[in-house]
Amino acid sequence: QVQLVQSGAEVKKPGASVKVSCKASGYTFSDHYVHWVRQAPGQGPEWMGWMNPNSGGTHYAQQFRGRVTLTRDTSVSTAYMDLRRLTSDDAAVYYCARGDTPHDFLDLWGQGTMVTVSS
Amino acid sequence: DIQMTQSPSSLSAFVGDRVTITCRASQSISHYLNWYQQKPGKAPKLLIYSASSMQSGVPSRFSGSGSGTDFTLTISSLQPEDFATYFCQQSDGTPLTFGGGTRVEI
Repeated sequence: QVQLVQSGAEVKKPGASVKVSCKASGYTFSDHYVHWVRQAPGQGPEWMGWMNPNSGGTHYAQQFRGRVTLTRDTSVSTAYMDLRRLTSDDAAVYYCARGDTPHDFLDLWGQGTMVTVSS
Repeated sequence: DIQMTQSPSSLSAFVGDRVTITCRASQSISHYLNWYQQKPGKAPKLLIYSASSMQSGVPSRFSGSGSGTDFTLTISSLQPEDFATYFCQQSDGTPLTFGGGTRVEI
């Protein structure tokens, strides 16, 4: 079954970091880019960046540069999103999604990981 | 960044109605426009890519059109399972950007 399965919900304090995983199955992990998108309650999705699983290359949206790192472990077909210095504005559902190129439609999505930021 | 503006932000319709949602880009994006459906608590699902190409498995009552800056998603005969929020997304370049969504209600 072609799918992306993400790690579970997280509760973090302001200033902390969160790392979300995204495990791919049913297709060749290195053949497709992994994009990360977040969605705050009642808002439209917000794109965070992409990672090329083949090369490890990355590109981040300007507003996240310096605070987010996208990595992968090809041995377990898993992508990771690490977001640092969390504030209440980072409370959202975080999704990984598959695309064929750096700018593309996203044809396969993970189920989402809710991140709550609260003191 | 390319801004995507959807209208309306919400609409009410009956089963069987023809529904049209529009999306406008702040600059020309050729045909690089995609549509997603999202139901509460679920991830977005790709419906239409490259403005008018239907994703595999999507019912034929969904269609997309447009180019340049103005795009349309049409549901020819609204079904009960179509009540959801719809988003457009441009893929002409990064950052990828999404519209604010159109909520389709009964």
